[in-house]
Amino acid sequence: DVKVTQSSRYLVKRTGEKVFLECVQDMDHENMFWYRQDPGLGLRLIYFSYDVKMKEKGDIPEGYSVSREKKERFSLILESASTNQTSMYLCASSPNKGVWGETQYFGPGTRLLVL
Amino acid sequence: QKEVEQNSGPLSVPEGAIASLNCTYSDRGSQSFFWYRQYSGKSPELIMSIYSNGDKEDGRFTAQLNKASQYVSLLIRDSQPSDSATYLCALVGYGNKLVFGAGTILRVKS
Repeated sequence: DVKVTQSSRYLVKRTGEKVFLECVQDMDHENMFWYRQDPGLGLRLIYFSYDVKMKEKGDIPEGYSVSREKKERFSLILESASTNQTSMYLCASSPNKGVWGETQYFGPGTRLLVL
Repeated sequence: QKEVEQNSGPLSVPEGAIASLNCTYSDRGSQSFFWYRQYSGKSPELIMSIYSNGDKEDGRFTAQLNKASQYVSLLIRDSQPSDSATYLCALVGYGNKLVFGAGTILRVKS
């Protein structure tokens, strides 16, 4: 079974803090993704990566950065958390480099509250 | 116009009935379409993918794609209470990124 894990299920941070969200997949997948999910807006793509040290902006990259130093790990960084970044953050992975029309496997999500 | 539009629901159907979930999209160039199911408090999981016009059946689920009319639908036959979830339509859109609709909440009443 594909397993995608995220470092925290729930996180509470204060405005201005630097926040790290970690995602690890154990199936040697090439592509990894970070989404946020908000009521009425669905999942929106923040960043994705199709190779180590490669990253591409998604639809809403402002206020976020990412790091992929190892194939299995993809980190999302909120440089200075703001209240409008309160959301559910979902990591996903898919097997084949640059192939977007295939199944994505999701982690359990991190619910972030920024006070 | 949003790239992917879904009625937010909730769609309520009695147990044993057919649930019909619909999705329209704006990018005529989209080629790959997906339905994900998301239980409350859980992450999305893929239940169907469809790439060509027509119907694709998998057990109680049938995905239907009409590229000319730019819609994709999911039919769930013999609906069960365990089918109660949010159903997300997704497609590979502009820039080869997966784009999700906001989802339709389905409630199956026993």
